[in-house]
Amino acid sequence: DAKTTQPPSMDCAEGRAANLPCNHSTISGNEYVYWYRQIHSQGPQYIIHGLKNNETNEMASLIITEDRKSSTLILPHATLRDTAVYYCIVRVASGFQKLVFGTGTRLLVSP
Amino acid sequence: GAVVSQHPSWVICKSGTSVKIECRSLDFQATTMFWYRQFPKQSLMLMATSNEGSKATYEQGVEKDKFLINHASLTLSTLTVTSAHPEDSSFYICSARGGTSNLGYEQYFGPGTRLTVT
Repeated sequence: DAKTTQPPSMDCAEGRAANLPCNHSTISGNEYVYWYRQIHSQGPQYIIHGLKNNETNEMASLIITEDRKSSTLILPHATLRDTAVYYCIVRVASGFQKLVFGTGTRLLVSP
Repeated sequence: GAVVSQHPSWVICKSGTSVKIECRSLDFQATTMFWYRQFPKQSLMLMATSNEGSKATYEQGVEKDKFLINHASLTLSTLTVTSAHPEDSSFYICSARGGTSNLGYEQYFGPGTRLTVT
């Protein structure tokens, strides 16, 4: 699976949009981009995933560049409860579908 | 839907004893379950992958005789830490993947089990 690069930490004001970037320049054509988050001392929570089109669900939006070498997770109106470590993972959709977690981005949402 | 539970949520045991952690998919059948370990301020590290009814596949460097994994049914996987030592103290997290398209083949994570070995 391709390697991802994320900033170690980011800050965001409550109510504002949080834009979390991820670089995955070696992504293959059959690899998806997944985002999970982990709130302190809990199991990771699935947020969203995509292949090449932009995706949106009730939690977030995922913007993938046309060359697929990077993506951005957008939390449109961040709340204090969105404070967590966010992991961007790329993987194929077949086989054992292992998730290899990198170091992620620690997002701190402040009042 | 897609809820995964773990039991116990935390456990303290003495060095040399064995501890069993259960992972259950509550509202779906999990064809594949995964076990992760997470040390303080570190990322999750995959330990092993288990498919129902077959032997687990361990990641490199994980001792299969020390971390026994059983996936006897489509809703239950267990991780037994044998002869635990203080260095095994960690946060153990399982995830389960459904085998149907309506669940999107995603992994759903349990809340984790904090193991402390004294």
